[in-house]
Amino acid sequence: NAGVTQTPKFQVLKTGQSMTLQCAQDMNHEYMSWYRQDPGMGLRLIHYSVGAGITDQGEVPNGYNVSRSTTEDFPLRLLSAAPSQTSVYFCASSYSNGDTGELFFGEGSRLTVL
Amino acid sequence: GESVGLHLPTLSVQEGDNSIINCAYSNSASDYFIWYKQESGKGPQFIIDIRSNMDKRQGQRVTVLLNKTVKHLSLQIAATQPGDSAVYFCAEHLGGGADGLTFGKGTHLIIQP
Repeated sequence: NAGVTQTPKFQVLKTGQSMTLQCAQDMNHEYMSWYRQDPGMGLRLIHYSVGAGITDQGEVPNGYNVSRSTTEDFPLRLLSAAPSQTSVYFCASSYSNGDTGELFFGEGSRLTVL
Repeated sequence: GESVGLHLPTLSVQEGDNSIINCAYSNSASDYFIWYKQESGKGPQFIIDIRSNMDKRQGQRVTVLLNKTVKHLSLQIAATQPGDSAVYFCAEHLGGGADGLTFGKGTHLIIQP
């Protein structure tokens, strides 16, 4: 099993550019989420989805959009990148909303906004 | 502020010794806790979990202790090996139907030869 696959692994953007971070999982998990990781801040939840067609905001949703058209895919969109969005982004999936079982994380996408 | 935090950002131990990584949480409604290990350049990996109705849970070389009285969580790693070098995060689920996990800032465990 591939698990959780994120692309791209590295990306450099200029301020104002848009891009999409892709996330796919092959474990048939209903729950998917996006986190950002900044030095000294741990992981912070951006958006999450409890199933196809359902998304909701996490702790730091501003500047990001998500959609969940299929169980497998959960892309994260930056409509107008800002330097404050320079971070490492992790996609995760699980069987549930976090109250049981583990989150399976991707390898991360390192984004730099100039 | 962070509802989950760690007492020490860096912990250095001798190879073969036992390691203890601590975590404080502030939300008494949290019902589930997980420890994750993150190696450099990789995503976090599940180590062990514990529910709020338990005080202790053991895995292979790892033990998690939960003290709800003082809202404290610890991860004990026995006979620390070089491969244990990583950043360790505790995470809590807030309960009451809440979604997602709240992560602490992490402790960097360094293994001295």
